[in-house]
Amino acid sequence: NAGVMQNPRHLVRRRGQEARLRCSPMKGHSHVYWYRQLPEEGLKFMVYLQKENIIDESGMPKERFSAEFPKEGPSILRIQQVVRGDSAAYFCASSPYSLAGLAKNIQYFGAGTRLSVL
Amino acid sequence: GQNIDQPTEMTATEGAIVQINCTYQTSGFNGLFWYQQHAGEAPTFLSYNVLDGLEEKGRFSSFLSRSKGYSYLLLKELQMKDSASYLCAVRADTGGFKTIFGAGTRLFVKA
Repeated sequence: NAGVMQNPRHLVRRRGQEARLRCSPMKGHSHVYWYRQLPEEGLKFMVYLQKENIIDESGMPKERFSAEFPKEGPSILRIQQVVRGDSAAYFCASSPYSLAGLAKNIQYFGAGTRLSVL
Repeated sequence: GQNIDQPTEMTATEGAIVQINCTYQTSGFNGLFWYQQHAGEAPTFLSYNVLDGLEEKGRFSSFLSRSKGYSYLLLKELQMKDSASYLCAVRADTGGFKTIFGAGTRLFVKA
């Protein structure tokens, strides 16, 4: 059973370009979360999605950032017109849906995409 | 506001025991998680506590006191491979899945 797959592992963009980060959840998982991690800092929650629905995007910057989790295919985190401050590691996590274990729902993380903005 | 505090760094000796503390102040509480993260890698799940008390799993144990907003992760028989960051995280939203992470504690295990 493959784990959470993120690609690319490393992404270099120039200021003003677009960055697209992909995340394929674990098989059978219907919940996806995106986090941003700056050096020496913790994971900062960005957005929580289910298939075709954004459930909680309270951690997303209001501009330039968007996320989707289509019915088919991976979840995409899109950053338009990147700036140097967007340089960070972006982690995706997935969890199953289980009413019985709703509170415990463990999040399984991908290896992350390291975005560098020149 | 939401706040999770843990020490920035700790150093311990191979074979010893180390305790990593975590205090939290959140608007709600629906469970506390500990994750291990090696440099450049994904965080991996270690433990989950939702009720007060100690949960033991092999060399690792985790303790929770909800009234004190306090948890610790106990690592026994330290090995060099335990050198990593340990992340304390709280599920603060009872209606959803929003999880707040601390900045992590970097543990250095020396021979």
